[in-house]
Amino acid sequence: EVQLQQSGPELQRPGASVKLSCKASGYTFTEYYMYWVKQRPKQSLELIGRIDPEDGSTDYVEKFKNKATLTADTSSNTAYMQLSSLTSEDTATYFCARAYNSGYGWYFDYWGQGVMVTVSS
Amino acid sequence: DIQMTQSPASLSASLGETVTIECLASEDIYDILAWYQQKPGKSPQLLIYDASSLHTGVPSRFSGSGSGTQYSLKINSLQPEDFASYYCQNGLSAPLTFGSGTKLEIK
Repeated sequence: EVQLQQSGPELQRPGASVKLSCKASGYTFTEYYMYWVKQRPKQSLELIGRIDPEDGSTDYVEKFKNKATLTADTSSNTAYMQLSSLTSEDTATYFCARAYNSGYGWYFDYWGQGVMVTVSS
Repeated sequence: DIQMTQSPASLSASLGETVTIECLASEDIYDILAWYQQKPGKSPQLLIYDASSLHTGVPSRFSGSGSGTQYSLKINSLQPEDFASYYCQNGLSAPLTFGSGTKLEIK
C-alpha cells in the first residue's frame, strides 16, 4: 500500500526556517517524482515544485524559487521541503504528492496527510 | 501559466440529485485535466484524469467530459460522502495549476 507520511504541525516565528518531511512507503521511491503543494486556509491548491528522487533534480514554480528548497534522501525514502524567511503568507497546510504520468499528462495519485505550518510572533 | 476557472464556487444539492461542475482553461489543454475531491481536514483525492478516465476505486457515479478549454465533472445520485470540495487541475504544461474550487454542500 502506497503511503506518504508527513511530519507534524509547526509553529514558527517570522523570519525563521522550517524543514518538513514526507516519508514514502509501498513503492519504489526513486521511480516517481514528488511534488509539494500549498493550501492556505479556505483557499485552493498551489504547486510549489517537484523533485526527482533518483537524481535530486528539482523544478520550482517561479514564485517559490527563493522560498522553498526540495531535497530527497533515498536511504530513508524521505522527501524534504525547507521553507525560509517565513512570513504570515507562509501560514498554510503543505502536502507532498506523488506524481503519476498517464502517458498524456501529469497528475497526483497519492498525497500525504498534510502538515499545518503557522507563522506567528 | 494556464489559468483554470471553476464554476460555480459553491453549490447546494440534495441527496440523490445529479450535479455538474465546470472548469474553463485559459487555453486548449487537449483533455489533459484531472478532478480531485477534498474533504475538510483531509488531502485531495484523485477522481478523474485525462478528462474522462476514472481513477482506481472511484465510484462510477463520477464522470468527466469536455475538450479544448471546457471541461465538466458530473456526479450522479449524490451520496452523503460526496459533499466536499472539488478541484480541477491542468496536467498538460508546467506549472501544473489548479482551479479555484467548488464547494458542494447539502441542501
